[in-house]
Amino acid sequence: SYELTQPPSMSVSPRQTARITCSGDVLAKQYGYWYQQKPGQAPVLVIYKDSERPSGTPERFSGSSSGTTVTLTISGVQAEDEADYYCQSADSGGSYWVFGGGTKLTVL
Amino acid sequence: EVQLVESGGGVVQPGESLRLSCVASGFTFDDYAMHWVRQVPGKGLEWVSLISGDGTNTYYSDSVKGRFTISRDNSKNSLFLQMNSLRTEDTAFYYCARPLRYFDWLLHSYFYYGMDVWGQGTTVTVSS
Repeated sequence: SYELTQPPSMSVSPRQTARITCSGDVLAKQYGYWYQQKPGQAPVLVIYKDSERPSGTPERFSGSSSGTTVTLTISGVQAEDEADYYCQSADSGGSYWVFGGGTKLTVL
Repeated sequence: EVQLVESGGGVVQPGESLRLSCVASGFTFDDYAMHWVRQVPGKGLEWVSLISGDGTNTYYSDSVKGRFTISRDNSKNSLFLQMNSLRTEDTAFYYCARPLRYFDWLLHSYFYYGMDVWGQGTTVTVSS
């Protein structure tokens, strides 16, 4: 099985930049994905293929990858960005998927 | 409108079975593999299972392998999760999810990524 490690929580002031990291050996060869989940709601895909934004994801969300780490960057954080963020990846065949433990982002 | 609607959740005792359903609308169902993902209240997301678009290939997390069976009926745009030998640790909110589909013009092929459409979920409680 695979493991993805995220910080459990982080806080940021409005208009600042939040960077959430996700580490795991699988990320050296496979894409990382990011999901935003607000209380009582289903997750929403905000980044796929390490750095691509689905239509509807605000431009302040960006993703990057380096070695065994992927990073979600939120530039100019807004109050509405307060949520749980989960990274995800899969094995080379796309047949076994794994989520990180999630990072609770608090906007101060 | 693209939509996924889960149903079938409920309260059962340990060792019992339950069958979840997910009905899709607004897209060509058999073009897509489909996932089940669960979430214990207040905890993180856990991938459960995946089935190919034609239903011939199925995959499971280690925690449910041998107890859960994923299936689909493309004629009814429906996805299922048969859960047997349920345990208290299976108590969770269960979502079905569809990948994002991207067409690569250079390769003239579709590629599928992550999970970009989710249902609203259904609750499964396993308790004595």
